[in-house]
Amino acid sequence: DADVTQTPRNRITKTGKRIMLECSQTKGHDRMYWYRQDPGLGLQLIYYSFDVKDINKGEISDGYSVSRQAQAKFSLSLESAIPNQTALYFCATSASGSLDTQYFGPGTRLTVL
Amino acid sequence: SQELEQSPQSLIVQEGKNLTINCTSSKTLYGLYWYKQKYGEGLIFLMMLQKGGEEKSHEKITAKLDEKKQQSSLHITASQPSHAGIYLCGADTGGYQKVTFGTGTKLQVIP
Repeated sequence: DADVTQTPRNRITKTGKRIMLECSQTKGHDRMYWYRQDPGLGLQLIYYSFDVKDINKGEISDGYSVSRQAQAKFSLSLESAIPNQTALYFCATSASGSLDTQYFGPGTRLTVL
Repeated sequence: SQELEQSPQSLIVQEGKNLTINCTSSKTLYGLYWYKQKYGEGLIFLMMLQKGGEEKSHEKITAKLDEKKQQSSLHITASQPSHAGIYLCGADTGGYQKVTFGTGTKLQVIP
């Protein structure tokens, strides 16, 4: 089984709808991240969480919110989806402490019509 | 904010040829990560470099962080179709694992 899972893998929705993307990890990591990827722009950090009680905004947090329900779960919400939020969304985890690699989920492809 | 530039943006090589991808930072890098992404899929970790002058290899892929810790290169020897994908460098500039990513290099390997 994958260490980092994301649901759904694909989603098409309409402008104005509320959407939740979920991420679960079995690696036991404290740190979790949400990124979005747009063609030609690399990955941009939306939110990150260093533990259950610690939530921080990333580069592009406007229009998004997150919830860290447990160490293993970190969800991303779009309160009112808009077309320019159409992108590939990735969740990642890493261990706390010294520099360590981030492990990525398979991604969620979101299309907002 | 940290800016990472990757070059080239895209690369088409014939199978068996060597190639190099560069990642340049405007700031000192505390950690430099290389990832590979197959189109539309998740990122696969390749290597992490921390020390100036450090060089790591995995199979036919070698990555190096320069002495000043502001540039890294990824070198693939004798490329194969399985090497095709998007290569992304990521940098940690504060040691807090807030990784900033480059825009990626799209590699195609022609049989």
